[in-house]
Amino acid sequence: DGGITQSPKYLFRKEGQNVTLSCEQNLNHDAMYWYRQDPGQGLRLIYYSQIVNDFQKGDIAEGYSVSREKKESFPLTVTSAQKNPTAFYLCASSIQQGDTEAFFGQGTRLTVV
Amino acid sequence: RKEVEQDPGPFNVPEGATVAFNCTYSNSASQSFFWYRQDCRKEPKLLMSVYSSGNEDGRFTAQLNRASQYISLLIRDSKLSDSATYLCVVGTGGYQKVTFGTGTKLQVIP
Repeated sequence: DGGITQSPKYLFRKEGQNVTLSCEQNLNHDAMYWYRQDPGQGLRLIYYSQIVNDFQKGDIAEGYSVSREKKESFPLTVTSAQKNPTAFYLCASSIQQGDTEAFFGQGTRLTVV
Repeated sequence: RKEVEQDPGPFNVPEGATVAFNCTYSNSASQSFFWYRQDCRKEPKLLMSVYSSGNEDGRFTAQLNRASQYISLLIRDSKLSDSATYLCVVGTGGYQKVTFGTGTKLQVIP
């Protein structure tokens, strides 16, 4: 079955540690995105990538980093520089062109302890 | 003004009722419009795209008003299973970058 997979579903991190969230898709989509969702707020774009080896900052990129070495994979690293990392992280992908939907992974709930 | 604005609700409606949500957007160049549904602690899932001519899918009707820059979602004969948060999503042309609204929470009551 085609889809987009995030792992892990739940993640606990100690303050000061970096952590990497995985996102893999087998939909052959060019574009991939990382969003953060906080209670009572909409999804906010962290980073996006239109093509392999290229990515752009979104609205709240500070404290995060990404890579796009393969079309299928778009991992997100939450660094120790991110001051308030506890949130629900959603990865999505979409076809590059056209009026199409974005498909979401099931999300990773990150908690800093 | 926010790019995409929604009334956060909650909208508490009895089963069988008809309920409507609106979503306003600020960028007149917006070209793609969607409604997503998000259940508690789950990922958003596409409910329906919104076309210029409007579209209907069973009990759900979506409409676009470009002149006033808003989209709407109408749910008829509400079911308990419709309880969720409904996200308005607006995209500009070219690269498929979209902006999400904060969502409208719907609670259908028995």
